[in-house]
Amino acid sequence: EAQVTQNPRYLITVTGKKLTVTCSQNMNHEYMSWYRQDPGLGLRQIYYSMNVEVTDKGDVPEGYKVSRKEKRNFPLILESPSPNQTSLYFCASGVLTYEQYFGPGTRLTVT
Amino acid sequence: QKEVEQNSGPLSVPEGAIASLNCTYSDRGSQSFFWYRQYSGKSPELIMFIYSNGDKEDGRFTAQLNKASQYVSLLIRDSQPSDSATYLCAVRDEGAQKLVFGQGTRLTINP
Repeated sequence: EAQVTQNPRYLITVTGKKLTVTCSQNMNHEYMSWYRQDPGLGLRQIYYSMNVEVTDKGDVPEGYKVSRKEKRNFPLILESPSPNQTSLYFCASGVLTYEQYFGPGTRLTVT
Repeated sequence: QKEVEQNSGPLSVPEGAIASLNCTYSDRGSQSFFWYRQYSGKSPELIMFIYSNGDKEDGRFTAQLNKASQYVSLLIRDSQPSDSATYLCAVRDEGAQKLVFGQGTRLTINP
């Protein structure tokens, strides 16, 4: 089954404790992206990757890191999470930036 | 900043009627347009995409694109309670390798 997977689905953590949210796709897509979704602010792009070893900032990259060492994986790293990073996070993949397919989401709470 | 505007709703439609969702965009050079459906607490799901002026039909869904007026719409015929969701309009930013999302329109289908 073609899909984008994310882990964990839910995470509660404390300020400053480094965390990684994994994202994996099995559709051989070159393009992958991370979004956060907040009430009233909609979906905002954090980082994206056009292919292996090619990443770039989206609209809200501060406080996040990414890497793309393999085509199928695109982890999101929060080196020192803060409460304002409490949000619903989605990973997406697609053929270039046309149709994008979203993972199930990760609900992150930083206390 | 390229913008995509949607009426946030809620839009209430009786079961069996046609639901009409509208979206306007600011970048006249945009070429690719997408409609996503998002159920509460779930990830966005791609339901339609349209690249050319005119109408594109897929089952009960019709996407309409008018580039001269810079709007794209989604019609849902024979609306069902299961169509109740938030509908996100997205426009491809041709220069920035990303999709720009509207805030979404919350649709409720009343039995």
